[in-house]
Amino acid sequence: SQQGEEDPQALSIQEGENATMNCSYKTSINNLQWYRQNSGRGLVHLILIRSNEREKHSGRLRVTLDTSKKSSSLLITASRAADTASYFCASNSGGGADGLTFGKGTHLIIQP
Amino acid sequence: KAGVTQTPRYLIKTRGQQVTLSCSPISGHRSVSWYQQTPGQGLQFLFEYFSETQRNKGNFPGRFSGRQFSNSRSEMNVSTLELGDSALYLCASSLYGQGNGYTFGSGTRLTVV
Repeated sequence: SQQGEEDPQALSIQEGENATMNCSYKTSINNLQWYRQNSGRGLVHLILIRSNEREKHSGRLRVTLDTSKKSSSLLITASRAADTASYFCASNSGGGADGLTFGKGTHLIIQP
Repeated sequence: KAGVTQTPRYLIKTRGQQVTLSCSPISGHRSVSWYQQTPGQGLQFLFEYFSETQRNKGNFPGRFSGRQFSNSRSEMNVSTLELGDSALYLCASSLYGQGNGYTFGSGTRLTVV
């Protein structure tokens, strides 16, 4: 079953704008990961943030984690048309038990 | 470095049949996980194999099974197919697994008619 929820479910912005997606999860985690999926193909790992980290950057991506609120956010700055995809957060409760628990995803559309 | 290879890419099966999907992980990766993706349930964890042993299993019926070979290649099998098994099946490989970053294959899209 899905543990997390992404918000919003869909987001449409203009190229060059910033996109922010939020994710909530239910149980304590070891780490939280963000993945991108293009048109129902495989997932691409974007970034992993550990439970003792609050913020992480990778290129145009910025991820925050608030374990007290059981939430995370993904910010994509200076969006490009190629960023159009679905974005999923995936939580790991530690030890790999039950694998990764994915949220339902945010579908991001970048308008040229 | 070659990525994760899943075969076949597409498959159409009839209800009641069985199917076997294959996954070749990145060379050197010992952990292979399988996920099912459907529009209704989203991405759900099926099982994880590490060094030929099933290490974790998701909440799926016994019709779903898998195995891992000594070269880390993995197969998953679904017996007595049901219409609801229609989904994109994704394989993910990792050096050690245990919930760290994974590399996913492009998936096998299974349609049960």
